[in-house]
Amino acid sequence: AQSVAQPEDQVNVAEGNPLTVKCTYSVSGNPYLFWYVQYPNRGLQFLLKYITGDNLVKGSYGFEAEFNKSQTSFHLKKPSALVSDSALYFCAVREGAAGNKLTFGGGTRVLVKP
Amino acid sequence: GAVVSQHPSRVICKSGTSVKIECRSLDFQATTMFWYRQFPKQSLMLMATSNEGSKATYEQGVEKDKFLINHASLTLSTLTVTSAHPEDSSFYICSAPRGGKGTEAFFGQGTRLTVV
Repeated sequence: AQSVAQPEDQVNVAEGNPLTVKCTYSVSGNPYLFWYVQYPNRGLQFLLKYITGDNLVKGSYGFEAEFNKSQTSFHLKKPSALVSDSALYFCAVREGAAGNKLTFGGGTRVLVKP
Repeated sequence: GAVVSQHPSRVICKSGTSVKIECRSLDFQATTMFWYRQFPKQSLMLMATSNEGSKATYEQGVEKDKFLINHASLTLSTLTVTSAHPEDSSFYICSAPRGGKGTEAFFGQGTRLTVV
């Protein structure tokens, strides 16, 4: 079975500082990894994905994530956080052989303070 | 722009009544759609997989007769919460993958259901 862990319920960062949101996964086959962001009372917006190829993936709004197979991690990063980045972030995994079903992590709330 | 549209965005209903939530893929055909439930400050819980032209597949612990899913066309799936009770109050979100396994899923805006 596939699973995702986001060890931090909340991350606080000052505006302009680097932001990192952690994610580790567990699948039996090749992972397809995704990051989504959710604003209050909204659906999820896609940020980026890793399917294959370069381990460093760049996505929307200046976010990037690094796939690390040995550590089974896919941490989300942004070099310089904005107040508007304050939201709920979800990591998700889809196992290549498991159809289109996504498994989500518990979510990490990011609070960027001015 | 939005590629999956969910309606209504919020609904208040009385206990014992039924509520229908629609999920539409706007510019692509979706043979599969997913319905999630999200409790406050929690992650998304997959409720069921909606399959066009066939029965939905429900996750363990989800009542089929309580949460009726219909996927009658390639662009529309509906979730009907039957005989709603206050404990059914939640945020419901649908999603649809736009392509194969390597493509991202697109999500509706979500529906805030409040049962009074």
